[in-house]
Amino acid sequence: AQSVTQLDSQVPVFEEAPVELRCNYSSSVSVYLFWYVQYPNQGLQLLLKYLSGSTLVKGINGFEAEFNKSQTSFHLRKPSVHISDTAEYFCAAQQTDSWGKLQFGAGTQVVVTP
Amino acid sequence: DGGITQSPKYLFRKEGQNVTLSCEQNLNHDAMYWYRQDPGQGLRLIYYSQIVNDFQKGDIAEGYSVSREKKESFPLTVTSAQKNPTAFYLCASSGPGLRDEKLFFGSGTQLSVL
Repeated sequence: AQSVTQLDSQVPVFEEAPVELRCNYSSSVSVYLFWYVQYPNQGLQLLLKYLSGSTLVKGINGFEAEFNKSQTSFHLRKPSVHISDTAEYFCAAQQTDSWGKLQFGAGTQVVVTP
Repeated sequence: DGGITQSPKYLFRKEGQNVTLSCEQNLNHDAMYWYRQDPGQGLRLIYYSQIVNDFQKGDIAEGYSVSREKKESFPLTVTSAQKNPTAFYLCASSGPGLRDEKLFFGSGTQLSVL
């Protein structure tokens, strides 16, 4: 089994400032890692995923994340946020042999203010 | 457009009543999932199905039941045995095939107890 910890429940940030959302995971086997975004009263959308290969992953809307195996982390970053980035962000892990069965973190609410 | 349709958007349950949440997809995906979302807890897997007429329990299946009679449909019934049903319910699918790690989500159903 694996677990996912998102270290911040809420992150306030000013428009055009950078943001980093922290995610740590624990697992006894290899995992795939994901970041999803949820806008109010909607489902989740995939931002990016790490399956293998390069540890720096680029996603949609200018987001990127870096997989760090030694620190078991998968932090999400954006160099300059917009008001429209206000949303809840979820980190998730999936064992490589358990297709679709994701373990989600508790979520980080990002609030962007002018 | 292809996607996942959940209905209704809002649902109210009386004490002792069973209610059914609908989930339909036209993405030709093989696998479908039900997640429950509570504030501050992220998403938890209730049931999943990888093929028609087959489904497995997730992490919190007690008080819920599902069926998968058609590839396109995966309804969830919240039974009277579920004592704390108030939550946001999300349906998801992945595929085609069983080795696609990306989940597509519906827009959710908010269930409340009267």
